[in-house]
Amino acid sequence: AQKITQTQPGMFVQEKEAVTLDCTYDTSDPSYGLFWYKQPSSGEMIFLIYQGSYDQQNATEGRYSLNFQKARKSANLVISASQLGDSAMYFCAMRDPPAGTASKLTFGTGTRLQVTL
Amino acid sequence: GAVVSQHPSRVICKSGTSVKIECRSLDFQATTMFWYRQFPKQSLMLMATSNEGSKATYEQGVEKDKFLINHASLTLSTLTVTSAHPEDSSFYICSAGPGFNTQYFGPGTRLTVL
Repeated sequence: AQKITQTQPGMFVQEKEAVTLDCTYDTSDPSYGLFWYKQPSSGEMIFLIYQGSYDQQNATEGRYSLNFQKARKSANLVISASQLGDSAMYFCAMRDPPAGTASKLTFGTGTRLQVTL
Repeated sequence: GAVVSQHPSRVICKSGTSVKIECRSLDFQATTMFWYRQFPKQSLMLMATSNEGSKATYEQGVEKDKFLINHASLTLSTLTVTSAHPEDSSFYICSAGPGFNTQYFGPGTRLTVL
């Protein structure tokens, strides 16, 4: 069974600083994918970044980058130059082996990030 | 980019009534959609996989007669909470994607059963 672990229930970061949100995973499947989502207080889940297990390079999307360490089974999200609008809940998720064109996701427990002035 | 819509965003109903929630993929076809449930301050838990043209697949512990899923077209899946009770009050959110490496979520539906 797949498992996602986020050990930081809450994190604080000062505006304009960088912050790393931890995520470790466990799977026996050699082919997998890891997602990060942001959930503000409105409840919507906003896709941030994706990393495939066979991707050679760490994924990056604007201020978001993924520190993927396959041997350690970790996929930490790095947010650079934090903004007040980054305050939200952040979820790490792993997709099941694909069935057809879609895969269900298993989520971690989330990390609440608070950006301060 | 790809967008998934969900309607209604918020519903309040009396105990014993049924509530239908719609999930639509707006600019791509989705043969598979997923329904999740999220209790306050908790993570998302998968309830069921909605398959276009066939029966939904439910996760262990989810009552299929309680949560009816219909995936009638390539862009629409509906979740009906039948005979809702206060314990069904939760945040329901659907997801779909144009490929297995991409999953977009709808804005969610907050259900309150009185």
